[in-house]
Amino acid sequence: SQTIHQWPATLVQPVGSPLSLECTVEGTSNPNLYWYRQAAGRGLQLLFYSVGIGQISSEVPQNLSASRPQDRQFILSSKKLLLSDSGFYLCAWSVLQGRETQYFGPGTRLLVL
Amino acid sequence: AQSVTQLDSHVSVSEGTPVLLRCNYSSSYSPSLFWYVQHPNKGLQLLLKYTSAATLVKGINGFEAEFKKSETSFHLTKPSAHMSDAAEYFCVVSDLSNTGKLIFGQGTTLQVKP
Repeated sequence: SQTIHQWPATLVQPVGSPLSLECTVEGTSNPNLYWYRQAAGRGLQLLFYSVGIGQISSEVPQNLSASRPQDRQFILSSKKLLLSDSGFYLCAWSVLQGRETQYFGPGTRLLVL
Repeated sequence: AQSVTQLDSHVSVSEGTPVLLRCNYSSSYSPSLFWYVQHPNKGLQLLLKYTSAATLVKGINGFEAEFKKSETSFHLTKPSAHMSDAAEYFCVVSDLSNTGKLIFGQGTTLQVKP
């Protein structure tokens, strides 16, 4: 069966520090991968998605970047965190394309102070 | 363009009473529709999915949803609420591109009172 992992589970970082959040998927090949942010009291905002290694699409301009160095690894990064980067970050995967269910990881709670 | 509207930001029910969470969608084509649940500080879990088969979709934990094309609705129901159902619920539509992107409603917080 397929599983999705995210780490760390929680993170407290000072403003201006770098960020690296990791997401890995097991049990499937060539998944579509997604990064979402959920701010307090808000819905989910799609940040990035990837349909293959090295292929990243950004949905919104921001202080963050994403990379996909391996088929089942998706990394969310920042060189300098802002206070507004605080939130709950969720990684998700889906198979094939279009209309398919997305399966979500457990999330990373990021607090920037 | 695809969109979803969750008509209630908060719903409060008593344990053992029915649950109704309302969702309307907008789509140029026959959509794929989902309901996800999120417990506090957890990821999202798929409750059920509609993909143009049966209009009444049964999901996990006793939830079900009915696709009504004439009303462009996909409301989530459960006959009897449990305390463990207290969570955030998201109605979601899949866009029609090959990216598999999902479009989320703003969410409905379900409170279950003892």
